[in-house]
Amino acid sequence: ETVMTQSPATLSVSPGERVTLSCRASQNIGTNLAWYQQKPGQAPRLLIYGASTRATGIPARFSGSGSGTEFPLTISSLQSEDFAVYYCQQYSYWPLTFGGGTKLEI
Amino acid sequence: EVKLVESGGGLAQPGGSLRLSCAASGFTFSSYAMTWVRQAPGKGLEWVSAITDSGSTTYYADSVRGRFTISRDNSENVLYLYMNSLRVDDTAIYYCAKRSGHSYGHNDYWGQGALVTVSS
Repeated sequence: ETVMTQSPATLSVSPGERVTLSCRASQNIGTNLAWYQQKPGQAPRLLIYGASTRATGIPARFSGSGSGTEFPLTISSLQSEDFAVYYCQQYSYWPLTFGGGTKLEI
Repeated sequence: EVKLVESGGGLAQPGGSLRLSCAASGFTFSSYAMTWVRQAPGKGLEWVSAITDSGSTTYYADSVRGRFTISRDNSENVLYLYMNSLRVDDTAIYYCAKRSGHSYGHNDYWGQGALVTVSS
């Protein structure tokens, strides 16, 4: 199984700050990596796929990068609506696996 | 507009069964793989099962293999998850999601979820 490790589990930040979330795969997954955002009481929403392609309607302040095993997600200037939990997921190998999530809190 | 609406959740006893449905609209259902993902209370996301566009191939997490069955009706645009031999640790919100390809890819659209509670 491909283990996805996200760090840190919780990140305390302020609006306007730049923040980078980390996602690491236990084996090479190429760029078969997606990022999802989940707010309380809501379903996850796709942010990034193919490691670096923004989904439709996602603001340019979200950027993903990386390949192989290391995948950072950067939010260039945090807005109030960005405080949420972020999950990475690999879709290169079965079983599909998610990271444990990073919670952005004020 | 892509829309996914889950139904069929509720309370079941340990060892019992439930069937979840996911009604899809706004896209050509028969052209895309689909998947189920669950989230236990206060926990992260866990992939459960996936099915290719034609329904010919299915995949399961080890935690549900042999107990859950995924299927789809492409004539009615509905995805199903049959859950048998339910356990307390199957308690979760179950999301259906559309995958981006015929048999592969990321989850580009998600439903709002159906709550399954397994308790005596």
